[in-house]
Formats: sequence, structure tokens, C-alpha cells
Amino acid sequence: EAGVAQSPRYKIIEKRQSVAFWCNPISGHATLYWYQQILGQGPKLLIQFQNNGVVDDSQLPKDRFSAERLKGVDSTLKIQPAKLEDSAVYLCASSILAGGRETQYFGPGTRLLVL
Amino acid sequence: GNSVTQMEGPVTLSEEAFLTINCTYTATGYPSLFWYVQYPGEGLQLLLKATKADDKGSNKGFEATYRKETTSFHLEKGSVQVSDSAVYFCALTNSGYSTLTFGKGTMLLVSP
Repeated sequence: EAGVAQSPRYKIIEKRQSVAFWCNPISGHATLYWYQQILGQGPKLLIQFQNNGVVDDSQLPKDRFSAERLKGVDSTLKIQPAKLEDSAVYLCASSILAGGRETQYFGPGTRLLVL
Repeated sequence: GNSVTQMEGPVTLSEEAFLTINCTYTATGYPSLFWYVQYPGEGLQLLLKATKADDKGSNKGFEATYRKETTSFHLEKGSVQVSDSAVYFCALTNSGYSTLTFGKGTMLLVSP
């Protein structure tokens, strides 16, 4: 079974530029998550989708971050404009369903450096 | 709110030593508890989980017991290998909600 795919793996941009990340979840997984992992910290949830609807985006900085999941499969996360503090690893995860006992499967992440 | 506290690293051990990584949590209701592992340059992988009090999760020689009375979920392994070198994250979800709350992670370094 193929895992969660993410691209690009690495991205370097200057502040105020825009950047987009792509995620393809495990086939058949209805729930998709985007996490931000700052160096030395645990991942923090940015947004959760159930199929193509948003379940939780309470920690998404909506003035600069946006995400969509068209057709309930692939997802893109965009930052516009980027700030220095956005430098982090952006992790995508998926699970079959939403729920406290569901296992989330993570992709390899996209490492973003903002200069 | 929910929170997870892990012991600070790095934890440095020799091969075949006994490992304990402490994890305590604060949560409402009846959380599920997880240990994830992150190898260098890779994403997080689920190592083990426990969904109710007194459950023991185990995988690849690692184990952790869900202790509600002490709100703890300590990770243990009897004999570590060099290949176990990684960052270990303790995490929880509240019943009915799948949002993971992570600790800061503990780096484990195992030398031959």
C-alpha cells in the first residue's frame, strides 16, 4: 500500500514570497490533516479535512495560510506572503475516518526555509 | 486544554541498554495515547498506541502502559539497538476527536 505522498521535499524562498505544498493521502482515507512542525517542537495541527470539507482550521493563520482539498482526495496548502517564522516542516497525514482511536499516517514532510 | 510533557533529550545510550522515555499528559475525558517515531529525514511513524486505561501498547520491542492514575504513558525497551536512534513523540487525542496533541519530542542516540 502506497503511503502519504508530499511534494516538494524541500523549498527555500524569500520572505513575502508565496509557496504551495501538495499532498496525496493514502487511497480511501477520508480524513486529511496538515501539521506544522517547528524545529525542536512537536507537530501542531493547522487544518483537518473530512472528505472535501473543513472540520477544524482553528489554528490556521488565515491571513496568510490557505488550504483546499478538491474532490476529497489531494490537498494543497499555500502560504502567501511567507514570513521568517513560517520556516518549518509541513507534514500531511491521513486516516480512514476521523475519531480519537484512528491511526494517522504521515508523509515525509516538506521542509520550508524562509530567508 | 490538552497537553503532553516529555522528558528532554537527547537520551544517549549504549547498545543493549534499557530505555525509558517519560511522558505525562493533561486531558479532559478519556484520551487515546500514542507514541510516534521520526527517523532522520523521514515522516512520523506510529510506534504503538493505547486507547483505554491499563492498556499496554507494544511494537518492535517497545512497550508503554496507559496509566490513568498517574496520567502517564512511559515508553520502554529492554535492549536498544543503534537503529533505534530517532526522535520519539508522545501524543494524545480526545475521545471522539482525532486532533493529535504532541509533546516536544525526545531524541534518542544509541552508540555501538
